[in-house]
Amino acid sequence: DGGITQSPKYLFRKEGQNVTLSCEQNLNHDAMYWYRQDPGQGLRLIYYSQIVNDFQKGDIAEGYSVSREKKESFPLTVTSAQKNPTAFYLCASSIDPGQETQYFGPGTRLLVL
Amino acid sequence: AQTVTQSQPEMSVQEAETVTLSCTYDTSESNYYLFWYKQPPSRQMILVIRQEAYKQQNATENRFSVNFQKAAKSFSLKISDSQLGDTAMYFCASRNSNSGYALNFGKGTSLLVTP
Repeated sequence: DGGITQSPKYLFRKEGQNVTLSCEQNLNHDAMYWYRQDPGQGLRLIYYSQIVNDFQKGDIAEGYSVSREKKESFPLTVTSAQKNPTAFYLCASSIDPGQETQYFGPGTRLLVL
Repeated sequence: AQTVTQSQPEMSVQEAETVTLSCTYDTSESNYYLFWYKQPPSRQMILVIRQEAYKQQNATENRFSVNFQKAAKSFSLKISDSQLGDTAMYFCASRNSNSGYALNFGKGTSLLVTP
């Protein structure tokens, strides 16, 4: 089946620790996105990538980093610089973002111990 | 900056009734797309409907339709014959060409469908 997968479903971070959230798609989509969702708020853009080996900061990139070494993969690292990382993280992709819809993965819930 | 505003944090409707969710937006783009996404308790984001701004005709998808008022920058979602499975958060979104066509979301409307 084609789709977007995110892992893990739940992730726990200790203080000062970096953690990496996985996002994989087998849809042959060029564009990929990371969003953060907090209670009572809509989704906010963290990073996006339109092609392999290129990515851009979104509205709330501080404390996060990404890589795009392969077309199908766009991992997000939550660094220790992110002081309030508890949130729901959603990955999305699109084959042609100028024309087509974004499709979302199932999300990762990150909690701080 | 592009903004999307949903003024109804919560709404409730009885099964089989019709409900309308409101959304207003602000954009400087001449050609743009608008979307409604549904997020059920599973938290999976599901596309409900999309509207291309240059199209005059309002989009429809089965029981879901929009009322797109371009001059007023209004984009409301009408759900007809509401079903229990429609219970979810509903997000209105616009697409931002300045951010790789990422989506700008409103804060959402929580819809509860009651028997």
